[in-house]
Amino acid sequence: SAVISQKPSRDICQRGTSLTIQCQVDSQVTMMFWYRQQPGQSLTLIATANQGSEATYESGFVIDKFPISRPNLTFSTLTVSNMSPEDSSIYLCSVSSGSYNEQFFGPGTRLTVL
Amino acid sequence: KNQVEQSPQSLIILEGKNCTLQCNYTVSPFSNLRWYKQDTGRGPVSLTIMTFSENTKSNGRYTATLDADTKQSSLHITASQLSDSASYICVVIFSYAGNNRKLIWGLGTSLAVNP
Repeated sequence: SAVISQKPSRDICQRGTSLTIQCQVDSQVTMMFWYRQQPGQSLTLIATANQGSEATYESGFVIDKFPISRPNLTFSTLTVSNMSPEDSSIYLCSVSSGSYNEQFFGPGTRLTVL
Repeated sequence: KNQVEQSPQSLIILEGKNCTLQCNYTVSPFSNLRWYKQDTGRGPVSLTIMTFSENTKSNGRYTATLDADTKQSSLHITASQLSDSASYICVVIFSYAGNNRKLIWGLGTSLAVNP
């Protein structure tokens, strides 16, 4: 299994500002994933971050709004840019490992945009 | 369209009782199916992973079943405890274009176990 930590655990931000969320894994992994979970909804994949290459974004998500860094095999950041109240959500970092590519999740970052 | 539907949407049971949560999917081609438990304010934690050939798999008081023909899965919780109060999410994985995989997430069943 993988142990994942995220910072910050929660934040309250003003409209128009940006927030960078950090994700640290206790082992080296090839792919890291960023998810969003809006209130009352299930998880939605934002992007897949591979070390050494550009992140791959899912439909409806763009790099200008959610820039991602992946400087090494144990760390990634997701920035939520020019925030609006619609960005209020839980943002989750995830990695996959094992024969079934089981996914492990961080504790999440609860973001509230006023 | 690849979809995962879960029922019921929410459930309230008394401590010590059993319950069964349902998951129906239309995902194809099927790779595997997973049940996750998500406590409030926490990330999801995997309970079981089931492949096409597996009909049932247990993890402590949790037992998952899979019928790949009818594309249905269930999660049975035995002798429920207060700590079982959480959202239970069914996720179906399908493979495409070689080694690519995509996860289709259900909306989850919110379970409340009352004393």
